[in-house]
Amino acid sequence: AQKVTQAQTEISVVEKEDVTLDCVYETRDTTYYLFWYKQPPSGELVFLIRRNSFDEQNEISGRYSWNFQKSTSSFNFTITASQVVDSAVYFCALSGLYGGSQGNLIFGKGTKLSVKP
Amino acid sequence: DGGITQSPKYLFRKEGQNVTLSCEQNLNHDAMYWYRQDPGQGLRLIYYSQIVNDFQKGDIAEGYSVSREKKESFPLTVTSAQKNPTAFYLCASSIKSRVSGNTIYFGEGSWLTVV
Repeated sequence: AQKVTQAQTEISVVEKEDVTLDCVYETRDTTYYLFWYKQPPSGELVFLIRRNSFDEQNEISGRYSWNFQKSTSSFNFTITASQVVDSAVYFCALSGLYGGSQGNLIFGKGTKLSVKP
Repeated sequence: DGGITQSPKYLFRKEGQNVTLSCEQNLNHDAMYWYRQDPGQGLRLIYYSQIVNDFQKGDIAEGYSVSREKKESFPLTVTSAQKNPTAFYLCASSIKSRVSGNTIYFGEGSWLTVV
Protein backbone atom coordinates (compact mmCIF):
# COMPACT_ATOMS: atom_id res chain seq x y z
CA ALA A 1 0.00 0.00 0.00
CA GLN A 2 1.07 3.55 -0.58
CA LYS A 3 1.57 5.89 2.33
CA VAL A 4 3.00 9.34 3.00
CA THR A 5 4.13 10.42 6.44
CA GLN A 6 4.78 13.99 7.48
CA ALA A 7 5.87 13.61 11.06
CA GLN A 8 5.99 17.33 11.79
CA THR A 9 2.49 18.57 12.52
CA GLU A 10 3.45 22.19 13.16
CA ILE A 11 6.67 24.18 12.88
CA SER A 12 7.22 27.74 14.02
CA VAL A 13 10.25 29.77 12.96
CA VAL A 14 11.33 33.37 12.97
CA GLU A 15 11.71 35.18 9.68
CA LYS A 16 15.00 34.56 7.86
CA GLU A 17 15.53 31.18 9.51
CA ASP A 18 15.95 28.12 7.32
CA VAL A 19 13.39 25.37 7.78
CA THR A 20 13.12 21.80 6.51
CA LEU A 21 9.85 19.94 6.14
CA ASP A 22 10.18 16.18 6.24
CA CYS A 23 8.36 13.69 4.06
CA VAL A 24 8.73 9.91 4.13
CA TYR A 25 6.86 7.69 1.71
CA GLU A 26 6.08 4.02 1.19
CA THR A 27 5.31 2.38 -2.12
CA ARG A 28 5.89 -0.90 -3.93
CA ASP A 29 5.76 0.74 -7.35
CA THR A 30 9.01 1.01 -9.26
CA THR A 31 7.76 4.11 -11.05
CA TYR A 32 6.17 6.76 -8.93
CA TYR A 33 5.94 10.50 -8.51
CA LEU A 34 6.34 12.75 -5.50
CA PHE A 35 4.81 16.18 -5.06
CA TRP A 36 4.75 19.11 -2.71
CA TYR A 37 1.77 21.44 -2.44
CA LYS A 38 1.32 24.64 -0.48
CA GLN A 39 -2.03 25.55 1.08
CA PRO A 40 -2.18 29.17 2.23
CA PRO A 41 -5.00 30.35 4.53
CA SER A 42 -7.20 31.02 1.49
CA GLY A 43 -7.48 27.26 1.03
CA GLU A 44 -6.36 26.64 -2.53
CA LEU A 45 -3.65 24.02 -2.98
CA VAL A 46 -0.77 25.38 -4.99
CA PHE A 47 1.46 22.93 -6.85
CA LEU A 48 5.14 23.46 -6.01
CA ILE A 49 7.11 20.57 -7.45
CA ARG A 50 6.91 17.09 -8.96
CA ARG A 51 9.69 14.51 -8.83
CA ASN A 52 9.91 11.27 -10.81
CA SER A 53 11.24 8.17 -9.12
CA PHE A 54 13.82 7.70 -11.86
CA ASP A 55 15.32 11.16 -11.33
CA GLU A 56 17.05 11.63 -8.00
CA GLN A 57 18.57 14.99 -8.78
CA ASN A 58 17.88 17.55 -6.14
CA GLU A 59 16.24 20.74 -7.23
CA ILE A 60 16.48 24.35 -6.23
CA SER A 61 14.01 27.07 -7.10
CA GLY A 62 14.82 30.38 -5.53
CA ARG A 63 14.56 29.96 -1.76
CA TYR A 64 13.03 26.49 -2.13
CA SER A 65 15.00 23.29 -2.45
CA TRP A 66 14.06 19.64 -2.45
CA ASN A 67 16.14 16.64 -1.42
CA PHE A 68 14.96 13.33 -2.88
CA GLN A 69 16.64 10.18 -1.50
CA LYS A 70 15.31 6.83 -2.64
CA SER A 71 17.57 4.99 -0.19
CA THR A 72 15.67 6.47 2.75
CA SER A 73 12.33 6.96 0.91
CA SER A 74 12.38 10.63 1.73
CA PHE A 75 11.54 13.79 -0.15
CA ASN A 76 12.33 16.72 2.11
CA PHE A 77 11.60 20.36 1.42
CA THR A 78 13.79 23.21 2.63
CA ILE A 79 12.91 26.88 2.67
CA THR A 80 15.93 29.13 3.00
CA ALA A 81 15.62 32.54 4.65
CA SER A 82 11.94 32.02 5.41
CA GLN A 83 9.45 34.85 5.03
CA VAL A 84 6.07 35.55 6.58
CA VAL A 85 4.43 34.79 3.22
CA ASP A 86 5.73 31.22 3.52
CA SER A 87 3.26 30.62 6.34
CA ALA A 88 0.96 27.87 5.13
CA VAL A 89 0.23 24.19 5.38
CA TYR A 90 2.52 22.13 3.18
CA PHE A 91 1.48 18.75 1.86
CA CYS A 92 3.68 16.01 0.48
CA ALA A 93 1.96 13.58 -1.91
CA LEU A 94 2.70 10.39 -3.82
CA SER A 95 1.21 8.81 -6.91
CA GLY A 96 1.89 5.78 -9.07
CA LEU A 97 1.98 5.67 -12.81
CA TYR A 98 -1.19 6.66 -14.60
CA GLY A 99 -4.03 4.16 -14.83
CA GLY A 100 -6.74 3.41 -12.34
CA SER A 101 -6.49 4.44 -8.74
CA GLN A 102 -2.72 4.15 -8.84
CA GLY A 103 -2.54 7.46 -10.60
CA ASN A 104 -4.33 9.30 -7.84
CA LEU A 105 -2.53 11.22 -5.18
CA ILE A 106 -1.93 9.93 -1.68
CA PHE A 107 -1.43 12.87 0.66
CA GLY A 108 0.39 13.21 3.93
CA LYS A 109 -1.46 15.00 6.71
CA GLY A 110 0.45 18.20 6.15
CA THR A 111 2.85 20.37 8.12
CA LYS A 112 1.68 23.76 9.27
CA LEU A 113 4.48 26.28 8.99
CA SER A 114 4.25 29.57 10.86
CA VAL A 115 6.86 32.20 10.11
CA LYS A 116 6.91 35.01 12.63
CA PRO A 117 8.29 38.47 11.84
CA ASP B 1 -7.46 32.56 -17.85
CA GLY B 2 -7.09 28.78 -17.67
CA GLY B 3 -7.99 27.14 -14.43
CA ILE B 4 -10.42 25.30 -12.25
CA THR B 5 -13.47 27.13 -10.97
CA GLN B 6 -15.45 25.94 -8.00
CA SER B 7 -18.72 27.40 -6.82
CA PRO B 8 -20.06 28.37 -4.46
CA LYS B 9 -17.16 29.30 -2.20
CA TYR B 10 -19.35 29.00 0.90
CA LEU B 11 -22.49 26.91 1.24
CA PHE B 12 -24.80 26.20 4.14
CA ARG B 13 -26.98 23.12 4.12
CA LYS B 14 -29.84 22.14 6.33
CA GLU B 15 -30.02 18.64 7.69
CA GLY B 16 -31.64 16.29 5.18
CA GLN B 17 -30.94 18.42 2.12
CA ASN B 18 -28.91 17.50 -0.90
CA VAL B 19 -26.51 20.11 -2.20
CA THR B 20 -24.43 20.24 -5.36
CA LEU B 21 -20.96 21.75 -5.66
CA SER B 22 -19.94 22.90 -9.09
CA CYS B 23 -16.52 22.34 -10.66
CA GLU B 24 -15.54 23.55 -14.13
CA GLN B 25 -12.12 23.42 -15.80
CA ASN B 26 -10.90 24.91 -19.06
CA LEU B 27 -7.49 23.23 -19.01
CA ASN B 28 -8.57 20.46 -21.37
CA HIS B 29 -7.64 17.92 -18.72
CA ASP B 30 -9.03 14.42 -19.04
CA ALA B 31 -9.15 13.50 -15.37
CA MET B 32 -11.05 15.24 -12.61
CA TYR B 33 -11.25 14.63 -8.88
CA TRP B 34 -13.07 15.56 -5.71
CA TYR B 35 -11.27 15.63 -2.39
CA ARG B 36 -12.52 16.31 1.09
CA GLN B 37 -10.42 18.04 3.75
CA ASP B 38 -11.29 18.12 7.43
CA PRO B 39 -9.58 20.55 9.85
CA GLY B 40 -6.02 19.51 10.58
CA GLN B 41 -6.27 16.59 8.19
CA GLY B 42 -4.91 15.71 4.82
CA LEU B 43 -7.00 15.26 1.73
CA ARG B 44 -9.16 12.22 1.11
CA LEU B 45 -10.40 11.21 -2.30
CA ILE B 46 -14.16 11.07 -2.78
CA TYR B 47 -14.60 10.34 -6.50
CA TYR B 48 -12.53 10.61 -9.63
CA SER B 49 -13.20 10.49 -13.34
CA GLN B 50 -10.61 9.72 -15.99
CA ILE B 51 -12.90 10.20 -18.97
CA VAL B 52 -16.31 11.56 -19.84
CA ASN B 53 -19.24 9.38 -18.76
CA ASP B 54 -17.06 7.34 -16.44
CA PHE B 55 -16.16 7.79 -12.79
CA GLN B 56 -14.84 5.72 -9.91
CA LYS B 57 -15.31 5.75 -6.17
CA GLY B 58 -12.46 6.97 -4.05
CA ASP B 59 -11.78 6.22 -0.42
CA ILE B 60 -14.83 7.97 1.07
CA ALA B 61 -17.57 7.89 -1.60
CA GLU B 62 -20.47 6.99 0.68
CA GLY B 63 -23.07 9.75 0.81
CA TYR B 64 -21.76 11.46 -2.32
CA SER B 65 -22.61 11.27 -6.01
CA VAL B 66 -21.04 12.70 -9.16
CA SER B 67 -21.61 12.95 -12.89
CA ARG B 68 -19.27 13.55 -15.82
CA GLU B 69 -21.40 14.43 -18.81
CA LYS B 70 -18.91 16.94 -20.20
CA LYS B 71 -15.13 16.98 -20.13
CA GLU B 72 -15.10 20.39 -18.50
CA SER B 73 -17.55 19.68 -15.69
CA PHE B 74 -17.56 17.36 -12.68
CA PRO B 75 -20.25 18.36 -10.15
CA LEU B 76 -20.41 16.76 -6.72
CA THR B 77 -23.67 16.17 -4.88
CA VAL B 78 -23.54 15.80 -1.13
CA THR B 79 -26.60 13.79 -0.24
CA SER B 80 -28.54 13.56 3.00
CA ALA B 81 -26.94 10.14 3.46
CA GLN B 82 -23.60 11.79 4.20
CA LYS B 83 -23.62 11.86 8.01
CA ASN B 84 -20.92 14.43 8.56
CA PRO B 85 -20.72 16.67 5.49
CA THR B 86 -19.24 19.78 7.08
CA ALA B 87 -15.82 20.10 5.45
CA PHE B 88 -13.73 21.84 2.83
CA TYR B 89 -14.16 20.34 -0.64
CA LEU B 90 -11.52 20.60 -3.32
CA CYS B 91 -11.98 19.86 -6.98
CA ALA B 92 -8.96 19.05 -9.12
CA SER B 93 -7.97 18.01 -12.60
CA SER B 94 -4.97 16.51 -14.36
CA ILE B 95 -3.39 15.21 -17.53
CA LYS B 96 -1.56 11.95 -17.08
CA SER B 97 1.67 11.19 -18.84
CA ARG B 98 4.69 9.05 -18.21
CA VAL B 99 6.95 12.07 -18.12
CA SER B 100 4.89 14.29 -15.90
CA GLY B 101 3.07 11.61 -14.00
CA ASN B 102 -0.23 12.72 -12.65
CA THR B 103 0.27 16.34 -11.69
CA ILE B 104 -3.01 17.42 -10.17
CA TYR B 105 -4.09 21.06 -10.12
CA PHE B 106 -6.67 22.28 -7.67
CA GLY B 107 -9.51 24.75 -7.56
CA GLU B 108 -9.96 27.24 -4.74
CA GLY B 109 -12.26 24.99 -2.77
CA SER B 110 -15.77 25.15 -1.35
CA TRP B 111 -16.66 25.34 2.32
CA LEU B 112 -19.78 23.35 3.20
CA THR B 113 -21.41 23.79 6.59
CA VAL B 114 -24.45 21.93 7.87
CA VAL B 115 -26.73 24.10 9.96
